[in-house]
Amino acid sequence: SQQGEEDPQALSIQEGENATMNCSYKTSINNLQWYRQNSGRGLVHLILIRSNEREKHSGRLRVTLDTSKKSSSLLITASRAADTASYFCATHTGANSKLTFGKGITLSVRP
Amino acid sequence: DADVTQTPRNRITKTGKRIMLECSQTKGHDRMYWYRQDPGLGLRLIYYSFDVKDINKGEISDGYSVSRQAQAKFSLSLESAIPNQTALYFCATSYSGSHNEQFFGPGTRLTVL
Repeated sequence: SQQGEEDPQALSIQEGENATMNCSYKTSINNLQWYRQNSGRGLVHLILIRSNEREKHSGRLRVTLDTSKKSSSLLITASRAADTASYFCATHTGANSKLTFGKGITLSVRP
Repeated sequence: DADVTQTPRNRITKTGKRIMLECSQTKGHDRMYWYRQDPGLGLRLIYYSFDVKDINKGEISDGYSVSRQAQAKFSLSLESAIPNQTALYFCATSYSGSHNEQFFGPGTRLTVL
């Protein structure tokens, strides 16, 4: 069963705009991670936020976590055509647990 | 990610055939995973291994088996392939001392006719 659910399912924006993607989850987590997948290729880890953190930055990426609402958001600022990909959130619930992935968000950035 | 390799990259087979997908890693990670990806369903965990001789079922293990031959190698077998096993298969690794950040192979596209 899916722990994380991303929203929206698909997002289309113009190059230079910001892209915001959301993830909601159901149970308490140890950390939440965001991954990117270019078409037909393996997932690449982008950023991790621990349950005791509220915000984290990495380059043009900003991720927030609200454990009271069981939700996270990923913001990509100043988007580029090369950001076109699918983005997945994944939740980690314990030291010996697995990651549970959402179904993904398809982001299209128009040049 | 060249540190995690999968063979073959593409495979077309027929119903009833036995298929083995192989995964190797040079990252020195102790944990390895097999996922399948289907359109609209995201990634689903088939099997995972936290170390050599440790094998655990994921959410969709029926029809699959695995072998952890060494820390660096984790293979997935379909004993008798069926068409609904047509999917994109990914191997991933992680280190037990991390926060379970996973590193993925390039995937194997399997088609069962």
